[in-house]
Amino acid sequence: DSGVTQTPKHLITATGQRVTLRCSPRSGDLSVYWYQQSLDQGLQFLIQYYNGEERAKGNILERFSAQQFPDLHSELNLSSLELGDSALYFCASSVGGIDTEAFFGQGTRLTVV
Amino acid sequence: GDSVTQMEGPVTLSEEAFLTINCTYTATGYPSLFWYVQYPGEGLQLLLKATKADDKGSNKGFEATYRKETTSFHLEKGSVQVSDSAVYFCALSDYMNTGFQKLVFGTGTRLLVSP
Repeated sequence: DSGVTQTPKHLITATGQRVTLRCSPRSGDLSVYWYQQSLDQGLQFLIQYYNGEERAKGNILERFSAQQFPDLHSELNLSSLELGDSALYFCASSVGGIDTEAFFGQGTRLTVV
Repeated sequence: GDSVTQMEGPVTLSEEAFLTINCTYTATGYPSLFWYVQYPGEGLQLLLKATKADDKGSNKGFEATYRKETTSFHLEKGSVQVSDSAVYFCALSDYMNTGFQKLVFGTGTRLLVSP
């Protein structure tokens, strides 16, 4: 158990819909990362938050957004969903800063039908 | 940008065989290098890491040495077990101008070990 909790584990939704994925980081970790894992793209970095502030953006679509709340949990919002958004979405947390180990949650498997 | 290339899988071995999974990287700076493992239905777990050239990371019988001259970080294990069957990801830390890092992953290599 990494200490990072992601909910829900599985999500099936229709095209055009909006979903919210939730992540609770390890106790004491201030940094939260979101990654997307798909068969054709592999593991792609989406976005990072540190202590409530966005710190870096990767290959995140404009239809996607995220935030980190004062209690440090984070949510990833995916809207106007397309079939190609079907993937495993991972959250990871770390203390923050250089070379600190990232701990991954078990992921949320999103299926868009 | 920085990138990681690792060998295609699956790698199929018998128990107690020697394992090598190749990983090479391209980076403008001096990244830290990592191997993560993903067991079926689970998230990624850090297996080992090395933060500078010639460092050797090791854990659970797995080893990898940071080779700057060949830009490689090959994963090895002397004797694999059925329980090592998983997907292995090589990764590097890409330092962003914010002072934080993100991980850049290879495509993953599936290892299948048979009894």
